Amino acid sequence: DIQMTQSPSSLSASVGDRVTITCQASQDIRKYLNWYQQKPGKAPKLLIYDASNLERGVPSRFSGSGSGTDFTFTITSLQPEDIATYYCQQYDNLPPYTFGQGTKLEI
Amino acid sequence: QVQLVQSGAEVKKPGSSVKVSCKASGGTLSNYAISWVRQAPGQGLEWMGRIIPILGIPNYAQKFRGRVTITADKSTSTIYMELNSLRSDDTAVYYCAGSLGVARFDPWGQGSQVIVSS
Repeated sequence: DIQMTQSPSSLSASVGDRVTITCQASQDIRKYLNWYQQKPGKAPKLLIYDASNLERGVPSRFSGSGSGTDFTFTITSLQPEDIATYYCQQYDNLPPYTFGQGTKLEI
Repeated sequence: QVQLVQSGAEVKKPGSSVKVSCKASGGTLSNYAISWVRQAPGQGLEWMGRIIPILGIPNYAQKFRGRVTITADKSTSTIYMELNSLRSDDTAVYYCAGSLGVARFDPWGQGSQVIVSS
């Protein structure tokens, strides 16, 4: 199975900061990586698909990049409502579809 | 846009089984695959398996193979996930999530809490 290593596991930042989270796959997954946001008590929400495509309705301060094994998720100007846990998820080829361990973002 | 509505919370004894449902409303499941993802308290997301309802063929994560069964009732647009031989570490919120074509999970159900306790 493909393993996803996400870092950091937690992050403290201030409103307006640029925030970066990384995700590394144990093997080449091409562009097949999604990023989700999860707020406490809620289901995850898809933000970025295919590594760099912004889901409809998601603010443009969120972005993603990378391919192969190394991926990056960025919030360009952190807002209070961005406080959440963020997960990467790979879906190269067949299941299982694995998630990163998550990054808890705090202000 | 399809919405997924899950069954309510369950409290189960160790060794028993639980069956959680996920019903689609506002559209058809015909083009979707439905996955089950669980989240133990304070932990991350764990993909358990999926089914493509029009095919009826499930795939399971190795960790759950032999203990989980995912089925689809096309007539009611409902997907079921049954987990057997429950242990305390199966205590989690169980989510269903839909994907079109590729495993891009959207929409999600609201989650079903399962507590395993003696």
